[in-house]
Amino acid sequence: QLQLQESGPGLVKPSETLSLTCTVSGGSISSSSYYWGWIRQPPGKGLEWIGSIYYSGSTYYNPSLKSRVTISVDTSKNQFSLKLSSVTAADTAVYYCARLLKTAIIFDYWGQGTLVTVSS
Amino acid sequence: QSALTQPASVSGSPGQSITISCTGTSSDVGGYNYVSWYQQHPGKAPKLMIYDVSNRPSGVSNRFSGSKSGNTASLTISGLQAEDEADYYCSSYTSSSIPGVVFGGGTKLTVL
Repeated sequence: QLQLQESGPGLVKPSETLSLTCTVSGGSISSSSYYWGWIRQPPGKGLEWIGSIYYSGSTYYNPSLKSRVTISVDTSKNQFSLKLSSVTAADTAVYYCARLLKTAIIFDYWGQGTLVTVSS
Repeated sequence: QSALTQPASVSGSPGQSITISCTGTSSDVGGYNYVSWYQQHPGKAPKLMIYDVSNRPSGVSNRFSGSKSGNTASLTISGLQAEDEADYYCSSYTSSSIPGVVFGGGTKLTVL
């Protein structure tokens, strides 16, 4: 059974960089059938797609966040990572990592999510 | 890219049917059959309920169905049950600016 687990600091100071890692177990991140993505959800609000990455390193970012986002992949560790720079309180959210099926553009497996709070 | 438009809330009594709409543009919902629906209970990760407009993943009840007309997709839940009370989000592939994914704003379903 595929499992995804987010990890990283739960508290980040304003203007600093948020860094999260998603570890994939029970399957290979190098599968040609999938992208791997990050989605966030501010408290009490809706879902927002941040971006996705292919095992080869090709990336697709939400235009509204593109200038601050970097997603990378480490196939040797079966992990992919998110960096979001110059954070503000508006970036406070539950961050999810998920598997994106290429042929249907669906997130079929999700991590449990991790709350990141931006505060001094 | 703008979020897809969903009603903020819908409600229904047990046994009834409800429909949640999801309106986009020709760059997303109207242009592709990559529309999906997710159910989210409080404190939980979203769960895929419908993909490719009207297909159900294995294990999802046949009380859930999806459809699309033009730029608007719909999720219908028949035979409402208390456990259906949750937030529902539509999602679509979008070709606007950069190929990617766009979500709807979410709809809170209350089972009366």
